[in-house]
Amino acid sequence: QQPVQSPQAVILREGEDAVINCSSSKALYSVHWYRQKHGEAPVFLMILLKGGEQKGHEKISASFNEKKQQSSLYLTASQLSYSGTYFCGTVPYGGATNKLIFGTGTLLAVQP
Amino acid sequence: GAVVSQHPSWVICKSGTSVKIECRSLDFQATTMFWYRQFPKQSLMLMATSNEGSKATYEQGVEKDKFLINHASLTLSTLTVTSAHPEDSSFYICSAQTSGNSYEQYFGPGTRLTVT
Repeated sequence: QQPVQSPQAVILREGEDAVINCSSSKALYSVHWYRQKHGEAPVFLMILLKGGEQKGHEKISASFNEKKQQSSLYLTASQLSYSGTYFCGTVPYGGATNKLIFGTGTLLAVQP
Repeated sequence: GAVVSQHPSWVICKSGTSVKIECRSLDFQATTMFWYRQFPKQSLMLMATSNEGSKATYEQGVEKDKFLINHASLTLSTLTVTSAHPEDSSFYICSAQTSGNSYEQYFGPGTRLTVT
């Protein structure tokens, strides 16, 4: 039931791009994206509520493919501050609409 | 806005004792708060959903008598780990949910519990 994220881990150099995928076995009502730095709480990035919706701010954007039951997070021209573990939080159809099921996580390390 | 605090941030206790963790929404009212547990290098696992004025809803496999949750007001929820054992050592994180259709959750800074 836990959404699977890929890749598990990725190392980038500053300025490079990355894509993080989140796949669910269930149809999704919404997808939330968070970034967590070591020893800290997750920080909210964005929510995608409709199938096909794309959102973004600064150089971080995301898409939501309702048919494929997956979401992708796009990081462009990565900065050192982007390092951390990225989690998708999903709300499946038929479940409680306020409960998140977190994905397996993707560790991102950006090097100078 | 949407700041959530947790106290304490770090606690060490002896096996058999109880520990209380507080979660507060500082600048908004949260009718719903969530408690998560996170082991090193793993994802967040939901333990329970806490609604103000009613009993908490626990996820499957979480012992409600061991992890007591009280949601006394719209800004405060507490988690008490009773008779703690070393296997309860973990990072405990709370989140508070805003109202509206998006159901955004804002997380507290977490509490690192070590049981010796």
